[in-house]
Amino acid sequence: AQKITQTQPGMFVQEKEAVTLDCTYDTSDQSYGLFWYKQPSSGEMIFLIYQGSYDEQNATEGRYSLNFQKARKSANLVISASQLGDSAMYFCAMREGPSAGNNRKLIWGLGTSLAVNP
Amino acid sequence: DAGITQSPRHKVTETGTPVTLRCHQTENHRYMYWYRQDPGHGLRLIHYSYGVKDTDKGEVSDGYSVSRSKTEDFLLTLESATSSQTSVYFCAISESSQIGYGYTFGSGTRLTVV
Repeated sequence: AQKITQTQPGMFVQEKEAVTLDCTYDTSDQSYGLFWYKQPSSGEMIFLIYQGSYDEQNATEGRYSLNFQKARKSANLVISASQLGDSAMYFCAMREGPSAGNNRKLIWGLGTSLAVNP
Repeated sequence: DAGITQSPRHKVTETGTPVTLRCHQTENHRYMYWYRQDPGHGLRLIHYSYGVKDTDKGEVSDGYSVSRSKTEDFLLTLESATSSQTSVYFCAISESSQIGYGYTFGSGTRLTVV
């Protein structure tokens, strides 16, 4: 079965420092997509970054980058120069691959709560 | 304007009453999903739809039903609300089920069953 694991329930980081949020996945498919979403205390779910399994370069979006290590099946989110507004819950998700059939869904991790300290 | 809206945003209801939550989209996306979010459980899929009148169960579908009579609307009904259904409910939409497509979420509905 396809699965996403986020092993860090909570993380702390000092403002202006970088932080890495871990995500490992399990799939037997060769084709899949990986996503990170942010959920601040206000509750909305915000898309951050996407990495395709065939993408040769790590995805970057502003201060967000995805450290994609295919052999290790990991897709860690790196936030550089943390800001107070980065305090939120972060979810890793994977779009199911071809083995899941036609209506492939996102499989979600349980999330990591990040607190940025001033 | 938001491409996806949920209503109501907040609701308190009594045990045993039916409750319907509405998700409305203006994006003409094929796929729509209902999730519930509870502390320690992340997002759990209740039901999803892959087209008008085409729906399927998710991992926590007991006690819930859905309907999609139009592309833009996906309704979630709690047939007889119980306290265990107190949760935050999110609707999400997706243009495609291919690997590069993520979800866009509504703002959520906070439901309290007393």
